[in-house]
Amino acid sequence: ETGVTQTPRHLVMGMTNKKSLKCEQHLGHNAMYWYKQSAKKPLELMFVYSLEERVENNSVPSRFSPECPNSSHLFLHLHTLQPEDSALYLCASSQEAIGTGTYEQYFGPGTRLTVT
Amino acid sequence: LAKTTQPISMDSYEGQEVNITCSHNNIATNDYITWYQQFPSQGPRFIIQGYKTKVTNEVASLFIPADRKSSTLSLPRVSLSDTAVYYCLVGERRDDKIIFGKGTRLHILP
Repeated sequence: ETGVTQTPRHLVMGMTNKKSLKCEQHLGHNAMYWYKQSAKKPLELMFVYSLEERVENNSVPSRFSPECPNSSHLFLHLHTLQPEDSALYLCASSQEAIGTGTYEQYFGPGTRLTVT
Repeated sequence: LAKTTQPISMDSYEGQEVNITCSHNNIATNDYITWYQQFPSQGPRFIIQGYKTKVTNEVASLFIPADRKSSTLSLPRVSLSDTAVYYCLVGERRDDKIIFGKGTRLHILP
C-alpha cells in the first residue's frame, strides 16, 4: 500500500468507447504523473502535473486527456483508443522541492487497459 | 535528471549477494541517487536513496564512491521474490523528461 490508489484495476473497452481512469493520492504530495507501460517496454511518461498545473506533455496523442482538479486527484480521459494503446497505466505522486536534488515517486497499482 | 547506465540483465542464485552498478558521470553536486524495484504488472517501488558513502536499510545497501560517478545497489542473500527490474535514477525532476530507462532485469534462480 503506497498511498496512491487507482481505479479501475482492469478495463476493457472498444475503440469507440469513452472511459476515464482515476487516481487518488493520500500523501499530501504536490505533483502527480501518468505513465504508460506496454509489454516489456520502459515506462513512458505521459503527463506531469505540479501544483495542479500541467507542466509536461510528452507529445501524447489527443485521444488521451488528463485532468487534475486538485492536488489529490488525477484523471485520464480516454476516447477513440487504438489497440496499440493497450497497456498498464500507472499513476504516481511526489513531493517536489526544486533545488533539493531529489524526489521520490510513489506509484499506484496501475490500470490494465485492453482496447478491443 | 542525470543520464544513467545500467546492465540490461543479470542472473543470480538464491542466497547470493547481488550487486547492480549504475553509472552517472554527469551527476550534479546536489543530486541524490535513488533506486526503484518493479515487479511485473505493478508500479515501481522506492528501495533506497543516498548521496555519498554508504546507506543501508532493511532491504538493501547503496554504495557510492567519493567521485559519485557511479553507485552500487547491493541486495543481500537474494530470494526468488527478488526477481524484478531495478531502476537507478539521479537527481530531481527538471525541465527534461523523467526517464526510468530500461533498468536492470534481475532473474534469481533456485
